[in-house]
Amino acid sequence: GESVGLHLPTLSVQEGDNSIINCAYSNSASDYFIWYKQESGKGPQFIIDIRSNMDKRQGQRVTVLLNKTVKHLSLQIAATQPGDSAVYFCAEDGNQGGKLIFGQGTELSVKP
Amino acid sequence: EAGVTQFPSHSVIEKGQTVTLRCDPISGHDNLYWYRRVMGKEIKFLLHFVKESKQDESGMPNNRFLAERTGGTYSTLKVQPAELEDSGVYFCASSQDKKGEAFFGQGTRLTVV
Repeated sequence: GESVGLHLPTLSVQEGDNSIINCAYSNSASDYFIWYKQESGKGPQFIIDIRSNMDKRQGQRVTVLLNKTVKHLSLQIAATQPGDSAVYFCAEDGNQGGKLIFGQGTELSVKP
Repeated sequence: EAGVTQFPSHSVIEKGQTVTLRCDPISGHDNLYWYRRVMGKEIKFLLHFVKESKQDESGMPNNRFLAERTGGTYSTLKVQPAELEDSGVYFCASSQDKKGEAFFGQGTRLTVV
């Protein structure tokens, strides 16, 4: 069936380094993708989104890249900080009326 | 502006009992979604309301789950009778547009013992 998956379940980086979190999706009809950050005890928090007519979108310290050819999505965090430690989920809107399909999540741990 | 709020934040019940979760979406958001995350796995869609109507309930696991959104404002999700495998974190989200940023609540952690 349709699925969104993550390549790495855990990622540990040094404070100040850049982080890259990857995600694969399988529904070629999806035209909207979102990255969420979830801290312990909180709900998923929107980070950045991208539509399929773009291949790159930048926010504050974060960049999302979309490669539709290989159905791959990535989240880049520049100068990773301890406050970035969380579980990151990619999600796709499979053109099915608004519901999101989430990946398993990657736990990012930032070492001081 | 208040975000999406969920109540209770935690609930521990015995197998066979009934639990009702509540979600108050952001005011003015017609779209309301229920998701859950079981055993640390991915967050899975349960159902989607547009105002008071069920747009999509394809993710509801079985008929022990009943969601309502009377009046198109807050929503409830009732599990009756609860089973052990229902344990997990139940999230509610709301959005103004179907294709746009969905705002999530903090979740209700349900533990069935």
